[in-house]
Amino acid sequence: KNQVEQSPQSLIILEGKNCTLQCNYTVSPFSNLRWYKQDTGRGPVSLTIMTFSENTKSNGRYTATLDADTKQSSLHITASQLSDSASYICVVSPFGGGATNKLIFGTGTLLAVQP
Amino acid sequence: DGGITQSPKYLFRKEGQNVTLSCEQNLNHDAMYWYRQDPGQGLRLIYYSQIVNDFQKGDIAEGYSVSREKKESFPLTVTSAQKNPTAFYLCASGRQDSSYEQYFGPGTRLTVT
Repeated sequence: KNQVEQSPQSLIILEGKNCTLQCNYTVSPFSNLRWYKQDTGRGPVSLTIMTFSENTKSNGRYTATLDADTKQSSLHITASQLSDSASYICVVSPFGGGATNKLIFGTGTLLAVQP
Repeated sequence: DGGITQSPKYLFRKEGQNVTLSCEQNLNHDAMYWYRQDPGQGLRLIYYSQIVNDFQKGDIAEGYSVSREKKESFPLTVTSAQKNPTAFYLCASGRQDSSYEQYFGPGTRLTVT
């Protein structure tokens, strides 16, 4: 069964610190892996998208890595800010999903950045 | 939120009533999607549409209905047959290219009592 699991479920860090969120998936083969940021009560916003052949992708203070051999991805946040407080969702697109694009969503990691 | 709008942001209904959630996009995307989000669960696909006048059931279509009469619009009706309708509903749209990127709307929180 195609699954995406994220850890930790929740995380509290102090402003200015770094953190790393984990994503393990069993989807194989897959087309791409994305990380989304979802503020409370809002829709998810794409942070990064990586194909199966990419190892890393950055977007400002956000850096995603992908290890297709171990089926793991991580999202590293540098110098956290209060506005980083949100849920971070890992999403995998199965290969061959085509236009139906039935994505597999993780349950998210809830990050709280405290002053 | 891009060019996707959902209305209203909050919706309250009595049990047994049908309710329609609006989703409009001005991104010229062919594909549109409806998801349901519950606490502690990943987003689940309700319905999707790849082209006007055509749509397919997702993983949890029971108790829901949709229409796609215009490219820009993909309304979702939550019927009285849906046993647990209280949830956060997200609409998305996407291109049909190789990225299959999806762009999400701001969501509608439906509460049924």
